[in-house]
Amino acid sequence: QSLLTQPPSASGTPGQRVTISCSGSTSYTGNFYVYWYQHLPGTAPKLLIYRNNQRPSGVPDRFSGSKSGTSASLAISGLRSEDEGDYYCVIWDDTLSGLVFGGGTKLTVL
Amino acid sequence: QVQLVQSGAEVRKPGASVKVSCKTSGYRFTSYDINWVRQATGQGLEWMGWMNPNSGNTGYAQKFQGRVTMTRNTSISTAYLEVSSLRSEDTAVYYCARVIMVRGVDYGMDVWGQGTTVTVSS
Repeated sequence: QSLLTQPPSASGTPGQRVTISCSGSTSYTGNFYVYWYQHLPGTAPKLLIYRNNQRPSGVPDRFSGSKSGTSASLAISGLRSEDEGDYYCVIWDDTLSGLVFGGGTKLTVL
Repeated sequence: QVQLVQSGAEVRKPGASVKVSCKTSGYRFTSYDINWVRQATGQGLEWMGWMNPNSGNTGYAQKFQGRVTMTRNTSISTAYLEVSSLRSEDTAVYYCARVIMVRGVDYGMDVWGQGTTVTVSS
């Protein structure tokens, strides 16, 4: 049971906007930053969003992140077939002194 | 450009150990922490621990404490992950990743190795 809960799956058609949620355990106070990683089949994971809503250089602005309290969301607009893969939210847990990954959301582009 | 290149696939029997390397290039090795993350078969990504290449300090996920060792060789800019007492559940792809931390601000894991498949089977 992950301390970060994500829906196991999400889907959308090309051009659509989809959102993936990430809900923190009730034990969290909300004083944490959320990071999002994209993991496409056969590739290494890729950083999409850091510190809740910041995009690294080279990440398209189709990807955006937000956070409110202990919940966060990743939004992907203008959905493309190449976006199909797994998406993970990640936080640093001070109590565990370690990173915590959400269970991951498998995004399907219909 | 910044690269993390990992060693090749390994096959081990249950109870054995495996050591995976992560050779870095394109930046000062001692300036950024290295995380290790794995993906077991059919599972999601799982953080294993971190290492500071400058000091050699490490931090391991509770699940792996006592069974995982992270080390480095600064002369060849290479980080290592050793997992002992392997069991079938350790069959996974293991990734190293550079952590960008600047003046206490964590910018995430920006560059990843290509992954190393470790298969544990009798």
